[in-house]
Amino acid sequence: DIQLTQSPSSLSASVGDRVTITCRASPTVSTYLNWYQQKPGNAPKLLICAASSLQSGVPSRFSGSGSATDFTLTISSLQPEDSATYFCQQSHSTPPTFGQGTKVQVK
Amino acid sequence: EVQLVESGGGLVQSGRSLRLSCTTSGFTFGDHAISWVRQAPGKGLEWVGYIRGKAYVGTTEYAASVKGRFTLSRDDSKSIAYLQMNSLKAEDTAIYYCTRTLWLFDWFPYFDHWGQGSLVTVSS
Repeated sequence: DIQLTQSPSSLSASVGDRVTITCRASPTVSTYLNWYQQKPGNAPKLLICAASSLQSGVPSRFSGSGSATDFTLTISSLQPEDSATYFCQQSHSTPPTFGQGTKVQVK
Repeated sequence: EVQLVESGGGLVQSGRSLRLSCTTSGFTFGDHAISWVRQAPGKGLEWVGYIRGKAYVGTTEYAASVKGRFTLSRDDSKSIAYLQMNSLKAEDTAIYYCTRTLWLFDWFPYFDHWGQGSLVTVSS
């Protein structure tokens, strides 16, 4: 199975900060990498597919980049409602696998 | 509006069976695959399996951890997907989400809409 490792596992940042979450794949997943946001008590929500394609309705402060083995999710200006856990997921090979998650706390 | 609603969860003894339902609306159900993803309490996400739409004759794939114990099916006339879980183990305890599944280049799956989840607790 393809392994996805996210870093950091958690972070705390202030409103307005730029936040970057990394997802490393082993082995390569080309650009078949997706990002989800999960708030406590809720189901995950798709933010970005195919590494960089922002889903309709997702604020433009979210962006994704990367290819092969290294990917990033960036929040350009952190907002209070961005407090959540973020997961990456690879579509390249069966079974689809997820990273372990990054918990983002807004100070 | 796309909606998926899981039902059928609950407390069950180890070794017994349970069937979850995923009732959908707001999209052409038969055209879409449905995946199930589970999340153990306080843990990450684990893909359980998917069942493709009618164009692919409802073919299925399963995670190794559930293969041979879990079965996916669908009733396109009712827009409902099912997850039949047999020989349940304590480690199957989780919230089970059904998701509408889309495909990049018709092959690479991702999950664009999720239900609210159904909690399955397996007592040992």
